[in-house]
Amino acid sequence: AQSVAQPEDQVNVAEGNPLTVKCTYSVSGNPYLFWYVQYPNRGLQFLLKYITGDNLVKGSYGFEAEFNKSQTSFHLKKPSALVSDSALYFCAVRELGGYNKLIFGAGTRLAVHP
Amino acid sequence: NAGVTQTPKFRILKIGQSMTLQCTQDMNHNYMYWYRQDPGMGLKLIYYSVGAGITDKGEVPNGYNVSRSTTEDFPLRLELAAPSQTSVYFCASSRTGEGDTQYFGPGTRLTVL
Repeated sequence: AQSVAQPEDQVNVAEGNPLTVKCTYSVSGNPYLFWYVQYPNRGLQFLLKYITGDNLVKGSYGFEAEFNKSQTSFHLKKPSALVSDSALYFCAVRELGGYNKLIFGAGTRLAVHP
Repeated sequence: NAGVTQTPKFRILKIGQSMTLQCTQDMNHNYMYWYRQDPGMGLKLIYYSVGAGITDKGEVPNGYNVSRSTTEDFPLRLELAAPSQTSVYFCASSRTGEGDTQYFGPGTRLTVL
């Protein structure tokens, strides 16, 4: 069965420090992986995705993610966290079977402290 | 472009009432989706559509119905509201290519009392 796991409910980081939000997946074949961010009372905003090619993907707002096939991971990273990065982050994987459907992780709340 | 818009933003229903959540996109996307978001559970797919006149069930379709008469609109219908349907509902759309980005609306927060 295809699935996505975000092992941390919450990640706490001091402003200016690097941040990592973890994501692991389980799919057959080549995965298509996505990161979205949700600010309070807002919809999900697309950050970045991995389809193929370079394992390091750069996205919006200075975020990047590294695809690691051997560890089946797609961790989200940022070199220097901002208080405004505080939000709920979702990892997702394309569901096999077509129609571009996504399977979402449970989400990780990122809290960046001044 | 407005992107994906949803109405209403908030709604309180009594058990057994019905309502329609509206979703419109102006990006000419063929694929559209309805999700519900429950705390700590991520997003679950309710229904999806691959074009006008074509819809199919997602992971959690019970208690809901959809229609897709135009490319732009994808309304979600709740016929007999139940407390278990208290949730935040998101509509999304994408182009037809595998791996194309899904774009989300701002959501509708529904409470069933």
